[in-house]
Amino acid sequence: DTGVSQNPRHKITKRGQNVTFRCDPISEHNRLYWYRQTLGQGPEFLTYFQNEAQLEKSRLLSDRFSAERPKGSFSTLEIQRTEQGDSAMYLCASSLDGGREKLFFGSGTQLSVL
Amino acid sequence: AQTVTQSQPEMSVQEAETVTLSCTYDTSESDYYLFWYKQPPSRQMILVIRQEAYKQQNATENRFSVNFQKAAKSFSLKISDSQLGDAAMYFCAYRSEMNSGNTPLVFGKGTRLSVIA
Repeated sequence: DTGVSQNPRHKITKRGQNVTFRCDPISEHNRLYWYRQTLGQGPEFLTYFQNEAQLEKSRLLSDRFSAERPKGSFSTLEIQRTEQGDSAMYLCASSLDGGREKLFFGSGTQLSVL
Repeated sequence: AQTVTQSQPEMSVQEAETVTLSCTYDTSESDYYLFWYKQPPSRQMILVIRQEAYKQQNATENRFSVNFQKAAKSFSLKISDSQLGDAAMYFCAYRSEMNSGNTPLVFGKGTRLSVIA
């Protein structure tokens, strides 16, 4: 169990550029979640996958955001035409199941849009 | 929609003392799960303790325990014998049991805990 891995750890980009983040969950976990955390706030749900199927998307996930999880393994989160309001920590988490199962979080990708 | 409220943005405690962090939530459901997560400066969220709503007994994990009051929709975290390593942001979180628990966690805004040596 090597934990949930996220890359890059930090990303600085100019407004209007596209960015992509990667998350590698714990290998046997079938559920993968993306959250966004801004300063002074708790994590806010963006989307989640069960295996390769994207089961739910928050209304926070505008059409500039897209997430994929090909083959039910790693996941990518892409933001197109970034805006300054996209600056946040993007957290990935995985779990074996829902319910009482605990989520294992990665260390996040800190995005700064200049 | 469910909401989670943490009314204490910051708390401090002397080393070896006890501190209680508050959390209330709003839901119309009867089956759900509650969690406390810790986020140290390293940013990685770590599960501290969890509680199933159908269990009357309060969960405990070593120095960490909860006071779960279902009728009052309250879920406080007590940290006993506080240690310097307990300093972190603490988030209360709720998960519905609807759809067999296939629902995302809803987090509060967090409480920053400082431990004074």
